[in-house]
Amino acid sequence: EAGVAQSPRYKIIEKRQSVAFWCNPISGHATLYWYQQILGQGPKLLIQFQNNGVVDDSQLPKDRFSAERLKGVDSTLKIQPAKLEDSAVYLCASSLGGMRGSYNEQFFGPGTRLTVL
Amino acid sequence: AQTVTQSQPEMSVQEAETVTLSCTYDTSESDYYLFWYKQPPSRQMILVIRQEAYKQQNATENRFSVNFQKAAKSFSLKISDSQLGDAAMYFCAYRGGAQKLVFGQGTRLTINP
Repeated sequence: EAGVAQSPRYKIIEKRQSVAFWCNPISGHATLYWYQQILGQGPKLLIQFQNNGVVDDSQLPKDRFSAERLKGVDSTLKIQPAKLEDSAVYLCASSLGGMRGSYNEQFFGPGTRLTVL
Repeated sequence: AQTVTQSQPEMSVQEAETVTLSCTYDTSESDYYLFWYKQPPSRQMILVIRQEAYKQQNATENRFSVNFQKAAKSFSLKISDSQLGDAAMYFCAYRGGAQKLVFGQGTRLTINP
């Protein structure tokens, strides 16, 4: 079974430029998550999708970050314009999704390391 | 809001010995899961072990075991017979009804040969 795919693996941009990250979850997984992991910290949820609907985007800086999940499969996370503090690893994860309280293991992709200069 | 705290930024252990990583959490929920994840330099998050809050028995996975103290909201990870391949960042994580994972700050584990 293929895992969660992310691209690119690395990206270096100047501040105020825009950037986009792509995630392809495990086939059949209804729930998709984007996490931001700043160096030396644990990952923090940015946005959670259930199929193509947003479940939680409370910690997404909506003035510069946007995300979409087309047809409930692939997802794109965009930053425009980027700031120095956006330098981080962006992790995508997916899970089957299901009844509240049921165990749904999250499977993580390899992440995209973003450096903003 | 739920919080997870790992008070040990770094730990080191001699190969073949035992090490314990600490984690505390705060929640008002009664039904939740707790996890330990391993993150090597490749950045891939790997699930090490999980514990359901309603289970009193501590989870074990080969050389990895947890000490879950629900009343104290404590969830430590014990690694027995440490191996060089165990070196990584370890994250404690909480998942409640919202399904999202809340992570601690991480503990960097070094294995000395």
